Amino acid sequence: EDQVTQSPEALRLQEGESSSLNCSYTVSGLRGLFWYRQDPGKGPEFLFTLYSAGEEKEKERLKATLTKKESFLHITAPKPEDSATYLCAVQNRGSTLGRLYFGRGTQLTVWP
Amino acid sequence: GAVVSQHPSRVICKSGTSVKIECRSLDFQATTMFWYRQFPKQSLMLMATSNEGSKATYEQGVEKDKFLINHASLTLSTLTVTSAHPEDSSFYICSARDRAGADTQYFGPGTRLTVL
Repeated sequence: EDQVTQSPEALRLQEGESSSLNCSYTVSGLRGLFWYRQDPGKGPEFLFTLYSAGEEKEKERLKATLTKKESFLHITAPKPEDSATYLCAVQNRGSTLGRLYFGRGTQLTVWP
Repeated sequence: GAVVSQHPSRVICKSGTSVKIECRSLDFQATTMFWYRQFPKQSLMLMATSNEGSKATYEQGVEKDKFLINHASLTLSTLTVTSAHPEDSSFYICSARDRAGADTQYFGPGTRLTVL
């Protein structure tokens, strides 16, 4: 069964303190791994899609990387506005409808 | 690009009534739309997947007669919660997959349903 585990569950960082969020996955055939950001009371906002091991993508202070077993979301010099829950999801190559399997998320708090 | 809207954003209803939630892809055509439910401080739970013009595929444990899904066009899907009860109170979120072949799902802003 396809599974996604995110760690840590919660992370508190001081502004400017870089860190990484982890997403470990088990899938019979990976079609894609997705990172989303979710603010309280809102729908998830798309950040990145990664397709193959070794791939990296960047957007402002965020950088996502992918290996065969896990993905990392690196946050460089975070700001308070980066506070949110970050969700990781995988899509199985065998899924014709594109179903996503989500992890529980990492709740990030950045304090000034 | 890739904007998904939901309406209403919040709804309060009495027990026993039905509520309809709309999900629209505003700037792209969506072959597939998904409906999720989210409880406080938990991740998204997939309820059903719908393709335009065909019946929705429901996840195990989701009552299809209670949660009616209609994907009438390539830009509109609706979720109707029939005979709502307080335990149906939740945050409902839809997503849409771009017809152009990309795998990414784009999410709507969500609908907060409160059943009194």
